[in-house]
Amino acid sequence: EPEVTQTPSHQVTQMGQEVILRCVPISNHLYFYWYRQILGQKVEFLVSFYNNEISEKSEIFDDQFSVERPDGSNFTLKIRSTKLEDSAMYFCASSGLGGMGTQYFGPGTRLLVL
Amino acid sequence: AQKITQTQPGMFVQEKEAVTLDCTYDTSDQSYGLFWYKQPSSGEMIFLIYQGSYDEQNATEGRYSLNFQKARKSANLVISASQLGDSAMYFCAMREPPYGNNRLAFGKGNQVVVIP
Repeated sequence: EPEVTQTPSHQVTQMGQEVILRCVPISNHLYFYWYRQILGQKVEFLVSFYNNEISEKSEIFDDQFSVERPDGSNFTLKIRSTKLEDSAMYFCASSGLGGMGTQYFGPGTRLLVL
Repeated sequence: AQKITQTQPGMFVQEKEAVTLDCTYDTSDQSYGLFWYKQPSSGEMIFLIYQGSYDEQNATEGRYSLNFQKARKSANLVISASQLGDSAMYFCAMREPPYGNNRLAFGKGNQVVVIP
């Protein structure tokens, strides 16, 4: 069964450093998403991406964040200068069916900013 | 304003028993989608079941069923014949128009512990 994969599973970084989180969406999906979950809190939407551009972003997704689809399979989230409050689980998701389909989530990357 | 409300405290359920997880939502749109996801202690988010607002029948998926009451704006998840592996957090989520806006809004989750 196809699934979304994410790397790395865990990342520890120093405040102010750049991190890149990687995702490989399900191969025939065209809509991609990033969500985050701060420990013990609910899952929050960050950004959606379609046709090589951002289709929607939340107020959390400020200038420190960027997304890219560098090739035909990967989808990345970059945080330019990490802050302590960026520590969270970051989930990638993808969907088909014109974007209205179910979003399937990857296993997440747990980011810890020290 | 909070769109998805899950207020139950942590729940203990006996193995093989059924459990109902409450979810109420807030929207003024007629067209929307409701989802339930499971998050075990390992952290991944696993899709369980989907209900569209225009679906006349309650969704079912194996041991999962959704008790959809549109007038009450509730979409409760029922897990029948609980298994030890059902111990997890369960999140209700909603997707609203406008189409092209595919973001999911999540509730805070319900913790379920299945005891033998």
